[in-house]
Amino acid sequence: NAGVTQTPKFQVLKTGQSMTLQCAQDMNHNSMYWYRQDPGMGLRLIYYSASEGTTDKGEVPNGYNVSRLNKREFSLRLESAAPSQTSVYFCASSGGLTGPNSPLHFGNGTRLTVT
Amino acid sequence: QKEVEQNSGPLSVPEGAIASLNCTYSDRGSQSFFWYRQYSGKSPELIMFIYSNGDKEDGRFTAQLNKASQYVSLLIRDSQPSDSATYLCAAAGYSTLTFGKGTMLLVSP
Repeated sequence: NAGVTQTPKFQVLKTGQSMTLQCAQDMNHNSMYWYRQDPGMGLRLIYYSASEGTTDKGEVPNGYNVSRLNKREFSLRLESAAPSQTSVYFCASSGGLTGPNSPLHFGNGTRLTVT
Repeated sequence: QKEVEQNSGPLSVPEGAIASLNCTYSDRGSQSFFWYRQYSGKSPELIMFIYSNGDKEDGRFTAQLNKASQYVSLLIRDSQPSDSATYLCAAAGYSTLTFGKGTMLLVSP
């Protein structure tokens, strides 16, 4: 039971570098999400994909891009990393056409540090 | 701006006591509500969800929803030290979940 798999688990970047966070789910879920979690700020939605072929901005999309590669995979790209993007990133998925009315299942997270 | 508010805590209870965690939400259109538990350094895991007014029980956990007051709560009976974690409340909007910042619960032996 893999569920939601995120890679990498840890990453250190220098300011200005780019990277892609990968996420895959094997639960046949329609909806996928990227959140970041910072101390005192809680979980904040970056981007989401309600279904294959669609993506939408969340609360904090600036500095990020996403790609819903297929039903299973949803990647998050940082084109030019900034120290403000130091955070823990969680990918999540949910089933059904009305994704948020189904529970979210989270990956194990990626700890990103930008120096 | 849709908001979910939680007391950050920590809420300290002795082992065996009832822990009561509370949450209020601003979006009257929210229909579904979720409680997640997050251990330090780990990802959130679902404890319970509730859609209808009233109580929903699952083992030692009871979720309570009052849509008129825009209030959700989670009761943990017979609290154990292993329940020590941060508890996140979330409300479902049209397309996404909005999370509160979480309440830290500490259960002392």
